[in-house]
Amino acid sequence: NAGVTQTPKFRVLKTGQSMTLLCAQDMNHEYMYWYRQDPGMGLRLIHYSVGEGTTAKGEVPDGYNVSRLKKQNFLLGLESAAPSQTSVYFCASRGTAMNTEAFFGQGTRLTVV
Amino acid sequence: DQQVKQNSPSLSVQEGRISILNCDYTNSMFDYFLWYKKYPAEGPTFLISISSIKDKNEDGRFTVFLNKSAKHLSLHIVPSQPGDSAVYFCAATPLVSGTYKYIFGTGTRLKVLA
Repeated sequence: NAGVTQTPKFRVLKTGQSMTLLCAQDMNHEYMYWYRQDPGMGLRLIHYSVGEGTTAKGEVPDGYNVSRLKKQNFLLGLESAAPSQTSVYFCASRGTAMNTEAFFGQGTRLTVV
Repeated sequence: DQQVKQNSPSLSVQEGRISILNCDYTNSMFDYFLWYKKYPAEGPTFLISISSIKDKNEDGRFTVFLNKSAKHLSLHIVPSQPGDSAVYFCAATPLVSGTYKYIFGTGTRLKVLA
């Protein structure tokens, strides 16, 4: 019972490099989210998706792009990484029931040097 | 503009006593509220939630209270146990919007002392 799986778990990038973080869920959830967690800032929403083929901006979308080509996957891309993007990234998903929670992955710790 | 605020970054409580974690929100469109617990190097895990049509929800040792007029919710843990030591995030979402975006607070680190 995997739930929400994030790949990779850790990554170190040089400034200017690009990378893609993969989130996969096996719960057939419609809604998926990408958050970043920074000290003293809590969890901030980067982008989200309300279904396959849809994406929308969250609170802090600048410097990131996303794609939801398959229902079970939600990709977060950094085209040109900056030190300010050093953070822990969490993916989450939820179903369509009104009063329900989101399920989170274990996180990806990204360091940009 | 922080729509969900947790003004206490940390809280220490003796084992067996009550832990009270507080959360304030500003957006009157929020109508569903959740508490998540997070251990180091793990993802947040759901703890308890409450709909805006209720003012209290209970699940074992955990109770969440909602005061809509004050735009305030609190999480009570009774009795507190050392395993409850974690960071607690409150979150809110406007279900009516249909996007189900969860907006999180900055978290409160709870330490339960044995």
